[in-house]
Amino acid sequence: QVQLVQSGAEVKKPGASVKVSCKVSGYILTELSMHWVRQAPGKGLEWMGGFDLEDGETIYAQKFQGRVTMTEDTSTDTAYMELSSLRSEDTAVYYCAVSQGYCSGGTCYDWFDPWGQGTLVTVSS
Amino acid sequence: EIVMTQSPATLSVSPGERATLSCRASQSISSNLAWYQQKPGQAPRLLLFGATTRATGIPARFSGSGSGTEFTLTISSLQSEDFAVYYCQQYSNWPPPYTFGQGTKLEIK
Repeated sequence: QVQLVQSGAEVKKPGASVKVSCKVSGYILTELSMHWVRQAPGKGLEWMGGFDLEDGETIYAQKFQGRVTMTEDTSTDTAYMELSSLRSEDTAVYYCAVSQGYCSGGTCYDWFDPWGQGTLVTVSS
Repeated sequence: EIVMTQSPATLSVSPGERATLSCRASQSISSNLAWYQQKPGQAPRLLLFGATTRATGIPARFSGSGSGTEFTLTISSLQSEDFAVYYCQQYSNWPPPYTFGQGTKLEIK
């Protein structure tokens, strides 16, 4: 089955960027729809964006447009999420997660399983 | 954006009893709803999708119901390992954002 292993915790200063990796094993990354979800300390879950397998494009939540970039290295089956212009409110655990949903007629339906173990990103001066 | 509201925020139930958790959508999402369980320090785990279908390996004591805007997760005969935070997630609107409820903490009474 699919297993996801994420990179380690990061501490960044405001205004900096962070790049989190998510290594896939047990499956080929190109056959997966990878998404990213974050969770601020003591808070709920927030979807950031993900890959639409049907048309081959990445969709980002409007809130993060212009600040987030999700990429994939298919040679190593590793997905990446880079977030720039960091601020204190970006302090959170960032998860990669595989969509188990489907796309039909140009519409996708995504629910997530499994998830990576999470990467804590702390933004502090 | 579709807003998901879960109730109650905290639910205290004794082991062996039944727990009922609610999730409401701000507009109809048909049956495009998933439930997750999250324990401290762990990633969420998928329990149900399509409002009622259990994910692989999920025990039969977990069941879901509802459609449209009102949904329920029921855990019959609570086990010690079931005490956790539960989130609902809608995946109805396209393009996203997909949105989650704020969570219900299920604690031991």
